[in-house]
Amino acid sequence: EVQLVESGGGLVQPGGSLRLSCAASGFTLSDHHMDWVRQAPGKGLEWVGRTRNKAKSYTTEYTASVKGRFSISRGDSENSVFLQMNSLKTEDTAVYYCVRVRNYNTNYDALDIWGQGRKVTVSS
Amino acid sequence: AIQMTQFPSSLSASVGDRVTITCRASQGITYDLGWYQQKPGKAPKLLIYAASSLQSGVPSRFSGSGSGTDFTLTISSLQPEDFATYYCLHDYTYPLTFGQGTRLEIK
Repeated sequence: EVQLVESGGGLVQPGGSLRLSCAASGFTLSDHHMDWVRQAPGKGLEWVGRTRNKAKSYTTEYTASVKGRFSISRGDSENSVFLQMNSLKTEDTAVYYCVRVRNYNTNYDALDIWGQGRKVTVSS
Repeated sequence: AIQMTQFPSSLSASVGDRVTITCRASQGITYDLGWYQQKPGKAPKLLIYAASSLQSGVPSRFSGSGSGTDFTLTISSLQPEDFATYYCLHDYTYPLTFGQGTRLEIK
């Protein structure tokens, strides 16, 4: 079964750091781009960033509000993706989802497999 | 960044109704758009990719159309399990951006 399971998260003070992990199973992680998406309490979805697949040299992209503070990495041998969050702000409080990107016919991508989400609370 | 304007923000409808949700991109995104359904407390689920292609396992009452800047998600005959929040997402360039969401409620 294709599955993503997040771990980590919790409560952290403003300015602190936190690392989320995402364990993938049922597919070859290195073949896929992987995204992180978040959802603040009562709000809509926000794309956070992407690590491209091995063919694209695992390069990364981020939304402007997290650039320079968040970092996405992966350990393909562990079949895992990580989101390192530094200099956290109260506005980073959200549920964070790890998401697989599927490429359809080499032309189009879509976020086809989602983890269950992990809550991150930034508060003093 | 490309802005995705989604409307309506909320919609009341009855079982059996046909409903349409619209997303408008601030610039052309060809067919690089997906639609996602989210139920309370759950992760989103992919319904439509490449603007009009139905994801495997998704009922055929869901359909998508559009290209360039204007896109629609149509549910041909609402079922009780369809009451949820729907989001569009473009994947044309970085950063990816979601629409604000449409909350579909039971009338």
